Amino acid sequence: DARVTQTPRDKVTEMGQEVTMRCQPILGHNTVFWYRQTMMQGLELLAYFRNRAPLDDSGMPKDRFSAEMPDATLATLKIQPSEPRDSAVYFCASRGSGLNNEQFFGPGTRLTVL
Amino acid sequence: EDKVVQSPLSLVVHEGDTVTLNCSYEVTNFRSLLWYKQEKKAPTFLFMLTSSGIEKKSGRLSSILDKKELFSILNITATQTGDSAIYLCAPNYGGSQGNLIFGKGTKLSVKP
Repeated sequence: DARVTQTPRDKVTEMGQEVTMRCQPILGHNTVFWYRQTMMQGLELLAYFRNRAPLDDSGMPKDRFSAEMPDATLATLKIQPSEPRDSAVYFCASRGSGLNNEQFFGPGTRLTVL
Repeated sequence: EDKVVQSPLSLVVHEGDTVTLNCSYEVTNFRSLLWYKQEKKAPTFLFMLTSSGIEKKSGRLSSILDKKELFSILNITATQTGDSAIYLCAPNYGGSQGNLIFGKGTKLSVKP
């Protein structure tokens, strides 16, 4: 059964450390999104890719965050250096190229920066 | 500025009650509106609405869109404890296939 996968599911790290989160979109989906969810802000779009090309990363703090899609089966979100305010759940979602705009979400990575 | 407002922010009801969740939006180049249910994990898709006045229904859940007044409602009848979740509204907007902007959600708690 096709689904978006994310690793790790949970990550606890110390301030200043590098964090890399990975996402495998549903096979055949050509658009991949990264979201961050906190109690205060809700779900916020950080960046998204279509056909592996970054289309919008305006929601992402550029100085410490970077997102890449090295191939069609892997998207990464990196934070370097991490800060306590980055603590959140990070979701990856993917969408196919059809007219239906449903996004399928992965299980999320719960990040805690101490 | 694009925005999505959901109300109420939280709601506590008893099993069997009917609830109505509201979503108002202001986005440019509106394409459709999606509802998601989020329990402990990732949001899961409920409905996509593109046309005004046409109700979408799935079991005890139904939803309708008003593109003139820029809002949507999600109804749940005969609520069950399993309906307890955060319900997220997300207009899809912009060019090409568009992007989603999420409201902060309505947290529904259904008590036995």
